[in-house]
Amino acid sequence: AQTVTQSQPEMSVQEAETVTLSCTYDTSESDYYLFWYKQPPSRQMILVIRQEAYKQQNATENRFSVNFQKAAKSFSLKISDSQLGDAAMYFCAYRSGEGSGNTGKLIFGQGTTLQVKP
Amino acid sequence: DAGVTQSPTHLIKTRGQQVTLRCSPKSGHDTVSWYQQALGQGPQFIFQYYEEEERQRGNFPDRFSGHQFPNYSSELNVNALLLGDSALYLCASSHRRLGGFSGNTIYFGVGRWLTVV
Repeated sequence: AQTVTQSQPEMSVQEAETVTLSCTYDTSESDYYLFWYKQPPSRQMILVIRQEAYKQQNATENRFSVNFQKAAKSFSLKISDSQLGDAAMYFCAYRSGEGSGNTGKLIFGQGTTLQVKP
Repeated sequence: DAGVTQSPTHLIKTRGQQVTLRCSPKSGHDTVSWYQQALGQGPQFIFQYYEEEERQRGNFPDRFSGHQFPNYSSELNVNALLLGDSALYLCASSHRRLGGFSGNTIYFGVGRWLTVV
């Protein structure tokens, strides 16, 4: 079974600074997807960034980028130029590839609460 | 373009009662999944519906059941409620034909709190 682990329950960053959130996962599959979701106090889960396991290039979305280390099964999220609106709970999630027969369920980590200080 | 919508707003139920949560997927989506999120935890997959059938199920007892209607909307039913069922219930939708089950993007609703007393 696949597992996702986020070892940082809470992180804080000064506004305009850079912060990195850690995530490790365990799987025996070769085809999968990794995601970072943001959950603000409104509770709606918002997709931040996604990475296909077959792609060597790290995904980037504006101020958000990932460091995908497939061999180490590590998938960290870097937030540059942090803004007050980035404060939220961040979840790392795993999704099996189509060939696994899985219907695409997401497996989430425990989450990291990010505080942004003005 | 309407996103994923859930009803009712906030529920308070008594142990042993039954509850039904409803979800309308994002416009154009045909696949609906339900997740349970306990306070301070990550969401846990309950089950997924596609073409009105349950396609995959997480580690939840039979007290949790669901349904998908021809218009792709879905219901989550929980019978014989326990205190431990108190959680945020999230509905998520996606489009099967766009990238298959794995390649498509999943959109979440805002969730609905269920409190069991």
